[in-house]
Amino acid sequence: GNSVTQMEGPVTLSEEAFLTINCTYTATGYPSLFWYVQYPGEGLQLLLKATKADDKGSNKGFEATYRKETTSFHLEKGSVQVSDSAVYFCAPRSRAAGNKLTFGGGTRVLVKP
Amino acid sequence: ETGVTQSPTHLIKTRGQQVTLRCSSQSGHNTVSWYQQALGQGPQFIFQYYREEENGRGNFPPRFSGLQFPNYSSELNVNALELDDSALYLCASSLAVATNTGELFFGEGSRLTVL
Repeated sequence: GNSVTQMEGPVTLSEEAFLTINCTYTATGYPSLFWYVQYPGEGLQLLLKATKADDKGSNKGFEATYRKETTSFHLEKGSVQVSDSAVYFCAPRSRAAGNKLTFGGGTRVLVKP
Repeated sequence: ETGVTQSPTHLIKTRGQQVTLRCSSQSGHNTVSWYQQALGQGPQFIFQYYREEENGRGNFPPRFSGLQFPNYSSELNVNALELDDSALYLCASSLAVATNTGELFFGEGSRLTVL
């Protein structure tokens, strides 16, 4: 099956700081990779995805590059805002593992003004 | 286009009772999956339904069961509730089961508290 290791939070930053959340994975087969975000009191929303090696997913100023050689999909944003405060989940998804999303434990990010 | 809707949003049960959670999938989506998210943890896959049949199951006991209806809506049933079943239950819909590249669209969840 698939598994994910994410850096533990909480990560506390000041507004306009640079954010990196590390994610490494193991997968059966060739996975697509996803970052989902969960804002307080809400369900999960797709933030970005990448479906093959060296693809870069991007959305709302966030970026992550699919690194097959290091089995990583680190999330970055150059200048965070208070509204980016949320829990971020990395998740691989592969047909060989039943096409389900396998989530890490999540990384809580708190951005202070 | 309506999104994924779940009901009820919150409920409280006592140990040993049974609960049914409901999910309406996004318009046009034929696949529904359910996840359990305990407090402070990532969601864990329970099972997936495609065209009214179970199409994959996670490491959950048989007292977790489900249904998918012809309109692709779905139910999650949990029998003999235990305290550890307290969690946020998330439903997600998607367009096709055969691909791993598509997005899963999540509802806001049903928060179950077992006393």
